[in-house]
Amino acid sequence: NAGVMQNPRHLVRRRGQEARLRCSPMKGHSHVYWYRQLPEEGLKFMVYLQKENIIDESGMPKERFSAEFPKEGPSILRIQQVVRGDSAAYFCASSQTTSGSNIQYFGAGTRLSVL
Amino acid sequence: GENVEQHPSTLSVQEGDSAVIKCTYSDSASNYFPWYKQELGKRPQLIIDIRSNVGEKKDQRIAVTLNKTAKHFSLHITETQPEDSAVYFCAASTGGGNKLTFGTGTQLKVEL
Repeated sequence: NAGVMQNPRHLVRRRGQEARLRCSPMKGHSHVYWYRQLPEEGLKFMVYLQKENIIDESGMPKERFSAEFPKEGPSILRIQQVVRGDSAAYFCASSQTTSGSNIQYFGAGTRLSVL
Repeated sequence: GENVEQHPSTLSVQEGDSAVIKCTYSDSASNYFPWYKQELGKRPQLIIDIRSNVGEKKDQRIAVTLNKTAKHFSLHITETQPEDSAVYFCAASTGGGNKLTFGTGTQLKVEL
């Protein structure tokens, strides 16, 4: 019974490169959430997706950031033209499909370092 | 949107003492309040949660209380142990599949 799987665990990019972060939800979960955690800060919501749909992207920066959750395969958080301020831990969480149940289980995160 | 405030930011207790962390929220529509524990470099792990139809929930040494009128909820850890040392986050949500809004975290240190 694998939990939420994220890869890579660590990602180093130079300014201007692209970063792709992957998240596979727990088995039976079809809701995926991405959160960003800056050093010594709390988690900030970025985007909420279901299969092939973005449900809430109110926390996503308007430029350079995009997310998808295709019918097959993991959810992807994509950051184009990374800048030093993008350095953070990016956590994915998943929850079940049943309405009213909102327990979110977190992955181990991807730590992005921008040089 | 929802705003969650959490206090204190750091808390040191002696082993065996109790620890209390408090959070307030702003959105009266919020009805789900989980608490997560995060050890250094690890994932946030759910330790307890409460829904707005109850006022208190307990699980062994951990309890959470909710006051909907005042819009605040608290985490209580009794008989603290060194392995309780971590950062604790409260969060609020309007339930269903909706996003969590987190507090800023409390660094709990349990000293021998």
